[in-house]
Amino acid sequence: QVQLVESGGGVVQPGRSLRLSCAASGFTFSSYGMHWVRQAPGKGLEWVAIVSYDGRTKYYAESVKGRFTISRDNSKNTLYLEMNSLSAEDTAVYYCAKTLSEYFQHWGQGTLVTVSS
Amino acid sequence: EIVLTQSPPTLSLSPGERATLSCRASQSVSNFLAWYQQKPGQAPRLLIYDASNRATGVPARFSGSGSGTDFTLTISSLEPEDVAIYYCQQRSNWPPLTFGGGTKVEIK
Repeated sequence: QVQLVESGGGVVQPGRSLRLSCAASGFTFSSYGMHWVRQAPGKGLEWVAIVSYDGRTKYYAESVKGRFTISRDNSKNTLYLEMNSLSAEDTAVYYCAKTLSEYFQHWGQGTLVTVSS
Repeated sequence: EIVLTQSPPTLSLSPGERATLSCRASQSVSNFLAWYQQKPGQAPRLLIYDASNRATGVPARFSGSGSGTDFTLTISSLEPEDVAIYYCQQRSNWPPLTFGGGTKVEIK
């Protein structure tokens, strides 16, 4: 069965960086686009970024463009999100998700990022 | 950017009642709309895609309808385990992929 396990969250000071990882199993990782979606505490869902199956095509939400970088290593079945210049507005649970024609077919359990001094 | 507006914000019903949730798009999304269920403390789960197709393993009491700008998620007979927040999402015109603000379903 599809399993997505995020890691790398934690407490980080404003302006600092953090890298999230998402380990995938149970499907042919290299055949699917992958997303990051976030959810601020008590708030709704916000799409963050997508990377194509081969890593060549990437799109970002305006709120993170220029600060966040999505990438993948198909040899390790792992998705990444490099987050720079973090601010309090980036505090959220970050989910990785497997795409189904740009819907979110399978989700990980999420990893909490808290930006605070 | 396509804005999705969900109503009502909260729906409080008794077990066995029919739940009708609405999602309205700021412009046509054709049938490129999905519904997700998020139970407390859990990740979201895909229920419906392309407006009316149930995802694998989703009970038949969940159904989706609509096209263009107006969509509905119906729970035909509410079960206690259906307590959750339900979100709609469009993939018609992206980036960005966008979600509605959610409808919270409660049991009376």
